[in-house]
Amino acid sequence: QITLKESGPTLVKPTQTLTLTCTFSGFSLSTTGVGVGWIRQPPGKALQWLALIYWDDDKRYSPSLKSRLTITKDTSKNQVVLTMINMDPVDTATYYCAHRGPVLASAFDIWGQGTMVTVSS
Amino acid sequence: QSALTQPRSVSESPGQSVTISCTGSSTDVGHYDYVSWYQQKPGKAPKLLIYDVSERPSGIPHRFSGSKSGNTASLTISGLQAEDEADYHCCSYGGNYTRVFGGGTKVTVL
Repeated sequence: QITLKESGPTLVKPTQTLTLTCTFSGFSLSTTGVGVGWIRQPPGKALQWLALIYWDDDKRYSPSLKSRLTITKDTSKNQVVLTMINMDPVDTATYYCAHRGPVLASAFDIWGQGTMVTVSS
Repeated sequence: QSALTQPRSVSESPGQSVTISCTGSSTDVGHYDYVSWYQQKPGKAPKLLIYDVSERPSGIPHRFSGSKSGNTASLTISGLQAEDEADYHCCSYGGNYTRVFGGGTKVTVL
């Protein structure tokens, strides 16, 4: 059974750096075709894709946020870390990590529960 | 990379059908058969309903179906049930291994 869980601060100040960790089980990020993505959702608004890291360490970012994002993986710990610099109140959102498998490769088939991050001074 | 366009809301009576559109461009929806749909209930994470335009993961009822024509993908819910009341989000592959989501559609069962 695949599970993912996000963790990190619930409150960050403007201009600070946000670091979120996705801890997963039930799959390995060293398996060909596997990826983990990050998606966020401001309160009452749409989902926004942020980044995706693949089994071969290929990394892809949303063009509009690329300069602020870094995604990394620690295969031995079954973790993926997303870093976002220069946080702003508009970045207030629930942040989700999600599994991208080798079979349903175009979609995110399993999602974490999400973690709410508020940006405020 | 602009967000895909979905209607803000749709509503229908139980037992009827609703279709939600998802309009993109020739660089995403129109270029790739990699559209997925997600159902999201209040306070919950999204759940995958459809992938690769029209494929259903195991466990998803047959009343959920997907299609695509040109730059517009569609999700149809047949035989609408009260439990189908939720937000629905489309997502497309955007080239260069990126993804783009739609604005989301609230489905109300009257």
